[in-house]
Amino acid sequence: DAGVTQSPTHLIKTRGQQVTLRCSPKSGHDTVSWYQQALGQGPQFIFQYYEEEERQRGNFPDRFSGHQFPNYSSELNVNALLLGDSALYLCASSPPGPTYEQYFGPGTRLTVT
Amino acid sequence: SQQGEEDPQALSIQEGENATMNCSYKTSINNLQWYRQNSGRGLVHLILIRSNEREKHSGRLRVTLDTSKKSSSLLITASRAADTASYFCATDRYNFNKFYFGSGTKLNVKP
Repeated sequence: DAGVTQSPTHLIKTRGQQVTLRCSPKSGHDTVSWYQQALGQGPQFIFQYYEEEERQRGNFPDRFSGHQFPNYSSELNVNALLLGDSALYLCASSPPGPTYEQYFGPGTRLTVT
Repeated sequence: SQQGEEDPQALSIQEGENATMNCSYKTSINNLQWYRQNSGRGLVHLILIRSNEREKHSGRLRVTLDTSKKSSSLLITASRAADTASYFCATDRYNFNKFYFGSGTKLNVKP
């Protein structure tokens, strides 16, 4: 059983560009959350998707948007990239029901130059 | 913000010694979890403790929670070089799997 997978592993973009990161949740999981982790910091919650809708959102600007597909996979889109968007982007999935389990993927390292 | 804060920021010990790291948070919570992260990659879930629990054990891990002091501690007994990693506490206020992480404790276990 594959765990949470993310693609790509690494990405280099230029300021002002747009980027799309992808996440496939663990089999049987229907909720996907995205986190941004700057170097030397803890992860910060960006948003969460459930039933193809954004259910919760952290303190991130509208440049950060997402999508969840019927197969529960998800995308994170960031527009008008800033240098400060350079970070490790982590995806986490959770199973259905009242559970506190959260499984993280290996992350996508985004560098904005 | 209910973000947890870990203390110390860095900890260096010898193999076989115990490692204790602490987490403080600001608002009421429903549960608190500890995660490990190796080399800036994905986080691995270690243990969850609910707000009505005071202590939990899992293998060499012992977690305590004091909701009156809004603090938690993680004890790793008989540490190994493989325990070298960053450790984060994460709090969930409403049981929606929306977690607030601290900035972590970087543990170095010397062989």
